[in-house]
Amino acid sequence: NAGVTQTPKFRVLKTGQSMTLLCAQDMNHEYMYWYRQDPGMGLRLIHYSVGEGTTAKGEVPDGYNVSRLKKQNFLLGLESAAPSQTSVYFCASRPGQGYYGYTFGSGTRLTVV
Amino acid sequence: GIQVEQSPPDLILQEGANSTLRCNFSDSVNNLQWFHQNPWGQLINLFYIPSGTKQNGRLSATTVATERYSLLYISSSQTTDSGVYFCAVGPTGNQFYFGTGTSLTVIP
Repeated sequence: NAGVTQTPKFRVLKTGQSMTLLCAQDMNHEYMYWYRQDPGMGLRLIHYSVGEGTTAKGEVPDGYNVSRLKKQNFLLGLESAAPSQTSVYFCASRPGQGYYGYTFGSGTRLTVV
Repeated sequence: GIQVEQSPPDLILQEGANSTLRCNFSDSVNNLQWFHQNPWGQLINLFYIPSGTKQNGRLSATTVATERYSLLYISSSQTTDSGVYFCAVGPTGNQFYFGTGTSLTVIP
């Protein structure tokens, strides 16, 4: 099993461009999350989903949109990238209610110039 | 949000030494996890421990929820233990607040 796969692994964007980060999990997990990690800091939750077709805002949702059209995929979109969105983005998933052990992807390093 | 403080911020150990990492949090929580981020950036869940004590090999963790702190013990450290250890707490299982981590370097 691949676990949680994030694509792309690296990306450089110009200010104002848009892009979509893909997170795919093959563990049949219900819950999925998008975090960002900035230098010297812990992770901060952007958006999350508790099941197919659901999304909810986290701690730092502004400037991002998400979609969960299929259970195994969770997409993170940047409509108009800004330098402040330069970060490493991590996707995570967990089975569902009552189990809290997260499985993380390997991250996407995004630079906005 | 909930404030999470981890100490020490940096730690250098000789291989074989023991260490204790601390996580203090500002509010009552029902959920607490410890994670290890290796030098290549991969995040691994170590413990889900909202209260009590758990052990997994050379690692163990204790959370005293009423006093708002958790401890991670690493015994007989190995070079592969190097990386950053994060504590994350949350009122729900979906909203976790991370500390800034303890950066551990184990020297052979």
